[in-house]
Amino acid sequence: KNQVEQSPQSLIILEGKNCTLQCNYTVSPFSNLRWYKQDTGRGPVSLTIMTFSENTKSNGRYTATLDADTKQSSLHITASQLSDSASYICVVAAGGGADGLTFGKGTHLIIQP
Amino acid sequence: NAGVTQTPKFQVLKTGQSMTLQCAQDMNHEYMSWYRQDPGMGLRLIHYSVGAGITDQGEVPNGYNVSRSTTEDFPLRLLSAAPSQTSVYFCASSLTSGRLDTQYFGPGTRLTVL
Repeated sequence: KNQVEQSPQSLIILEGKNCTLQCNYTVSPFSNLRWYKQDTGRGPVSLTIMTFSENTKSNGRYTATLDADTKQSSLHITASQLSDSASYICVVAAGGGADGLTFGKGTHLIIQP
Repeated sequence: NAGVTQTPKFQVLKTGQSMTLQCAQDMNHEYMSWYRQDPGMGLRLIHYSVGAGITDQGEVPNGYNVSRSTTEDFPLRLLSAAPSQTSVYFCASSLTSGRLDTQYFGPGTRLTVL
């Protein structure tokens, strides 16, 4: 069964600090990996989409990495801001069939002033 | 562009009642889908559509119906609401069903079934 595991479950950091969120997956066949940001009470918003051949992808202060050999990804947030407080969801797309997306449970990030 | 819109934002139903959650997009996207999000779980796919007139079941379709008569609209019907259907429902769309297409989510409908 395809699975996506995220860690930590929740994280609290001070404004201005950096942090890294982790994602491990067992999805086959692998197509791509996505990171979404979900603010409280809102729908998820796409941050990055990475294919098998991409190791790193940035979107402003967000940098995602992908190691397809170990089936791990990370999302690094630089110089955190209060607006970064949200849930961050890792999603892995499988090749072929239906919707093909497996969603992680998310990491709940709180930025404190 | 309004993007993906959903109505209502909140709804309370009694067990056995039926209702329709509305979803519309103005981006001319072919692919639309419905998810539910429950505490401590990842989003789960209910139904999806690859174009007008075409729908298919996702991971958790029981108790829900969909139709896609136009490209823009993709309503989700609860036939006879049960407390287990208490959840937050998200509609999403993408240009095609291609694996690299960005998905756009609506703001969600929070449903409580008593």
